Amino acid sequence: GAGVSQSPSNKVTEKGKDVELRCDPISGHTALYWYRQSLGQGLEFLIYFQGNSAPDKSGLPSDRFSAERTGGSVSTLTIQRTQQEDSAVYLCASSLAVIGAGLAFFGQGTRLTVV
Amino acid sequence: EDQVTQSPEALRLQEGESSSLNCSYTVSGLRGLFWYRQDPGKGPEFLFTLYSAGEEKEKERLKATLTKKESFLHITAPKPEDSATYLCAVSSNYQLIWGAGTKLIIKP
Repeated sequence: GAGVSQSPSNKVTEKGKDVELRCDPISGHTALYWYRQSLGQGLEFLIYFQGNSAPDKSGLPSDRFSAERTGGSVSTLTIQRTQQEDSAVYLCASSLAVIGAGLAFFGQGTRLTVV
Repeated sequence: EDQVTQSPEALRLQEGESSSLNCSYTVSGLRGLFWYRQDPGKGPEFLFTLYSAGEEKEKERLKATLTKKESFLHITAPKPEDSATYLCAVSSNYQLIWGAGTKLIIKP
């Protein structure tokens, strides 16, 4: 597509429920990144993909968080047993290659609210 | 530990009043410093990349400069449409280390 697309744009869920956040990157971009942005905080790196592989998962906050990417395209970030501290905006970005981590194009984000 | 600090947290200016935003950083082996603009409800939008001390980049009313310890984003004669949060990040291998941003408000 023309840009990075994320869905849903807003998600309200009850504490303890699982949620799935989707990211559709720019066509041809091999690198894909997930970030979390809390109010008044800088972006927190969660995970990146080079193709379908995630070489470093150490940014994921806990084992309740997981992510996958299929076909070198769409990625899904799953949060199991959501907690109130998971409330934040989750941003996805893509770039032509990992080496261009700064030249990334961002989606509009998914605002997750856990009640 | 790699760290990025932006100041001020918020800045209110009158239209046409020039000023500068600061981004100070500590990183082992700078591979690049990046400025992004973020509007409410949207993802960050890339503005500039700087790689070495002394480098400068310009785009319309914005100019970014880089020293060994900090970067400045100078805004000249700003307009209300320049209102946004400006984010700074430094590159560390495959990821970016982000500052918390400066919220810039330009009043007409």
